[in-house]
Amino acid sequence: QKEVEQNSGPLSVPEGAIASLNCTYSDRGSQSFFWYRQYSGKSPELIMFIYSNGDKEDGRFTAQLNKASQYVSLLIRDSQPSDSATYLCAVNMRNTGGFKTIFGAGTRLFVKA
Amino acid sequence: GAVVSQHPSRVICKSGTSVKIECRSLDFQATTMFWYRQFPKQSLMLMATSNEGSKATYEQGVEKDKFLINHASLTLSTLTVTSAHPEDSSFYICSASRTGYIEPQHFGDGTRLSIL
Repeated sequence: QKEVEQNSGPLSVPEGAIASLNCTYSDRGSQSFFWYRQYSGKSPELIMFIYSNGDKEDGRFTAQLNKASQYVSLLIRDSQPSDSATYLCAVNMRNTGGFKTIFGAGTRLFVKA
Repeated sequence: GAVVSQHPSRVICKSGTSVKIECRSLDFQATTMFWYRQFPKQSLMLMATSNEGSKATYEQGVEKDKFLINHASLTLSTLTVTSAHPEDSSFYICSASRTGYIEPQHFGDGTRLSIL
């Protein structure tokens, strides 16, 4: 089992729809969870971070965390073509000597105009 | 806030050249900086983690003598690709974090390295 798993996609949604991106992780002791967006040929940019169970909203983005089920998701409301990118889930996990941030392989999102 | 500057953005040079890439946290102090490499259409690959004032921790399979990392201050880390060859051509990205694991990593814009 991979430490951080994401569906590679592509996930295709029409403009204006809700895009739902999911991520599962293996370490129950993980404390910090992040979503990054990466456009083709560019570096990742931070969208959201969440530390506690429940929902966290920021504009059109909502991160959801369920530690008991070991999953974290990202909802994008009113999806726009400019949201088309690869979304990376990242989780901080215990490692020998401390913690380590593990990135998922990413989910490619296409928003159709 | 949390701006990371990476320079240069693109390098094209001949085989055998050594290339230095700089990563600076502009508006915060970064306890930990990270260096990644990414090939086209592939995932981020962590190369090494560096903490200010100490030696970098390299991931398995990454040659520490080829990829020299220096983290001399809380705002600057450098990656030097020594005697670069065409197979070292890739997209190199740095990131910085205030604390190293609880807080997020903030990424630089990346350096596209092409070795002829």
